[in-house]
Amino acid sequence: GIQVEQSPPDLILQEGANSTLRCNFSDSVNNLQWFHQNPWGQLINLFYIPSGTKQNGRLSATTVATERYSLLYISSSQTTDSGVYFCAVTLPGTASKLTFGTGTRLQVTL
Amino acid sequence: GAGVSQSPSNKVTEKGKDVELRCDPISGHTALYWYRQSLGQGLEFLIYFQGNSAPDKSGLPSDRFSAERTGGSVSTLTIQRTQQEDSAVYLCASSATGGWEYEQYFGPGTRLTVT
Repeated sequence: GIQVEQSPPDLILQEGANSTLRCNFSDSVNNLQWFHQNPWGQLINLFYIPSGTKQNGRLSATTVATERYSLLYISSSQTTDSGVYFCAVTLPGTASKLTFGTGTRLQVTL
Repeated sequence: GAGVSQSPSNKVTEKGKDVELRCDPISGHTALYWYRQSLGQGLEFLIYFQGNSAPDKSGLPSDRFSAERTGGSVSTLTIQRTQQEDSAVYLCASSATGGWEYEQYFGPGTRLTVT
């Protein structure tokens, strides 16, 4: 089956720093979503981004489907950015179920 | 409602008992999904509903797990004869339709602990 690997697995930042999270996938995908799981466990939608670049405030994402990766950029990080970031993909021919990546755990300190 | 809701938020049960978990999708969403998040397995797909039918049940781990959806809205996930390995957070998601081009939105989850 498809492998969805995220890096780094863990990241500690000081408030105000920038970071780049990476999602690599081993096969062609139809769709890709980025989520933030907050400390209470809620999965929050960040981006729906099968290809191209999108920006939302301090966050932006880029997916290069032909090269099988996606990047999530966090600028001027805040303590509220702490949590786990997941990418998830939808595979051709598998209806629309999401296959999740391994996650990046981010801690932003003061 | 404004988002996907799930109940109960927490459930503690004894090994061997049956449990029912409920999901209310976003109003108007025809597609509904169940996922499970456990420490050892990460986030994994269980079952997908389009309307009241389940075209993809491939993620259900055993025949102790079943799910139904009635009226194209509320869904119930039932686990019979619970085992300790069933302990996990069960997440429900919905999307406008079942196509891959539609974004999925998740509920807060039900944390199941089997003692």
